[in-house]
Amino acid sequence: GQNIDQPTEMTATEGAIVQINCTYQTSGFNGLFWYQQHAGEAPTFLSYNVLDGLEEKGRFSSFLSRSKGYSYLLLKELQMKDSASYLCAVCRDDKIIFGKGTRLHILP
Amino acid sequence: GAGVSQSPSNKVTEKGKDVELRCDPISGHTALYWYRQSLGQGLEFLIYFQGNSAPDKSGLPSDRFSAERTGGSVSTLTIQRTQQEDSAVYLCASSLGTSGDEQYFGPGTRLTVT
Repeated sequence: GQNIDQPTEMTATEGAIVQINCTYQTSGFNGLFWYQQHAGEAPTFLSYNVLDGLEEKGRFSSFLSRSKGYSYLLLKELQMKDSASYLCAVCRDDKIIFGKGTRLHILP
Repeated sequence: GAGVSQSPSNKVTEKGKDVELRCDPISGHTALYWYRQSLGQGLEFLIYFQGNSAPDKSGLPSDRFSAERTGGSVSTLTIQRTQQEDSAVYLCASSLGTSGDEQYFGPGTRLTVT
């Protein structure tokens, strides 16, 4: 089976850095996605990690440790538009299963 | 090019009625997913189609739910004898099809069962 856990809500300040963690337990693991979802909108792709390590893409970075069943999304230089839900999703045997998401609130 | 489209965008139905939700994936995408999202919640996996393979129906919550995909393109999710707990946003996504390909989501259908 699969359990995907991430914090329900987080709050951070504009200009700061925030790390959103995701832990998972699943068999047949292929890789891990992060998606961003603004309220009332569909999710949009942020990153996909297959191998251990950190992948950086502009202000956003994603880290994966397969042995620990752990990933995080790092957001730097936070902007108000980063207020959204961030969804961790595990790719298992080509099927993609989402966690419940983390609602990130950005304070001015 | 066109993205994933879904229709209708909103559907209000009476308890006990059947509804059909439609998804048009991006042309050439072999993988198609249906998810359900209740207010403020994460995405709940419903069903996954990959090419001509038998669909993975493991996420369908009851036998009132069914889905088909005709010609490897358009998909229809059918909910029979709708219940109030079926009220949610139903999201469809497609991808090129190999493991790890980015999913492109449609705008969703907001279903309200009264």
